[in-house]
Amino acid sequence: DVKVTQSSRYLVKRTGEKVFLECVQDMDHENMFWYRQDPGLGLRLIYFSYDVKMKEKGDIPEGYSVSREKKERFSLILESASTNQTSMYLCASSPPGLSEQYFGPGTRLTVT
Amino acid sequence: AQKITQTQPGMFVQEKEAVTLDCTYDTSDQSYGLFWYKQPSSGEMIFLIYQGSYDEQNATEGRYSLNFQKARKSANLVISASQLGDSAMYFCAMREGLLTGGGNKLTFGTGTQLKVEL
Repeated sequence: DVKVTQSSRYLVKRTGEKVFLECVQDMDHENMFWYRQDPGLGLRLIYFSYDVKMKEKGDIPEGYSVSREKKERFSLILESASTNQTSMYLCASSPPGLSEQYFGPGTRLTVT
Repeated sequence: AQKITQTQPGMFVQEKEAVTLDCTYDTSDQSYGLFWYKQPSSGEMIFLIYQGSYDEQNATEGRYSLNFQKARKSANLVISASQLGDSAMYFCAMREGLLTGGGNKLTFGTGTQLKVEL
């Protein structure tokens, strides 16, 4: 089975801190994604990557950056966390071509 | 305009009844795919069913079927014989540009919270 893991289920950070959210997949998938999920807004794409060292902005990239140095790992970085970044963050991966995305368990981030 | 619209924020259904969750979409692509995911209270996203824009038959997976009406741009999820374990948030999603690559990016709707009652 495909496994996507995220470094933390719950995280509490202070305003202004640099935050790293890590995602690892074990199925050699080319594509990886970061979403945030907020009530009433569904899932919104922050960034995605279709290859090592490649990244593309999603719908809401402001305030975030990403890093993909290895195929299995995709990191989401909040350079200076703000309270409006309090959210559930979901990582996903998929092979190339038409396929469903496989999701991690999510990280609930609270910024105080 | 919203690319994926789910107009039912919440739905109730009696156990063993069938329920339809609505999804409409907006795209100018000829080639696209539609997905449904389930998110229980534990938070993980579970893939349920997929329909391609060129598929002539409606997709089915066990108790899940997708009522695909291309001209109306709707892709409703039908769950037959509802079970208590079906209580969850359900998301409709679309991938556009199947013929032009794009990294398999999905656009999600806002979700429908389904509650199955005894």
